[in-house]
Amino acid sequence: LAKTTQPISMDSYEGQEVNITCSHNNIATNDYITWYQQFPSQGPRFIIQGYKTKVTNEVASLFIPADRKSSTLSLPRVSLSDTAVYYCLVYSGNTGFQKLVFGTGTRLLVSP
Amino acid sequence: NAGVMQNPRHLVRRRGQEARLRCSPMKGHSHVYWYRQLPEEGLKFMVYLQKENIIDESGMPKERFSAEFPKEGPSILRIQQVVRGDSAAYFCASSENRDSWVNSPLHFGNGTRLTVT
Repeated sequence: LAKTTQPISMDSYEGQEVNITCSHNNIATNDYITWYQQFPSQGPRFIIQGYKTKVTNEVASLFIPADRKSSTLSLPRVSLSDTAVYYCLVYSGNTGFQKLVFGTGTRLLVSP
Repeated sequence: NAGVMQNPRHLVRRRGQEARLRCSPMKGHSHVYWYRQLPEEGLKFMVYLQKENIIDESGMPKERFSAEFPKEGPSILRIQQVVRGDSAAYFCASSENRDSWVNSPLHFGNGTRLTVT
């Protein structure tokens, strides 16, 4: 599975847009990109996933360029409750979530 | 629809005792995954099971650790003769069958925090 690299931490203020970029240079043709959010003392929670171009849901957008070697999670107008660790993951459409690799994620701190 | 249920949420064991962690997947999910998380680290894959089958246990220590997912009942992660280094949060996740991976994300429970004294 493709290894992912993302910033260790980011700081933001309430109401701002936050963009977290993840690189996955070795992504394979049948791999998908998925993002999870984790609060302290809780399990990771699915945010969004995509294969290419742009995906949007009620909480975030995911931008994936044509070469798919990176992806950007966009959180519009963050609030204090968005303070969490965000994980970028790549999984195979053939083997699914087997051996899903979590890095250390990006620790987002939202301040008033 | 209840999510992935793990119990207990907190478990304290003395060195040498056994720890049993239980996981009930989401309704309709037949794939279960166990992960371990140390403080300030990401989750590390341990084992992947389907009903009555261990599919991949490459991330699980070969000694003292075992996992099962019986036909009936929850999945169990068992740690025998616990040591202090086993102290961690253990998360269980579940997913639907193979044909639905792309359209069905992995769902996690809120973990069991094991403390070995």
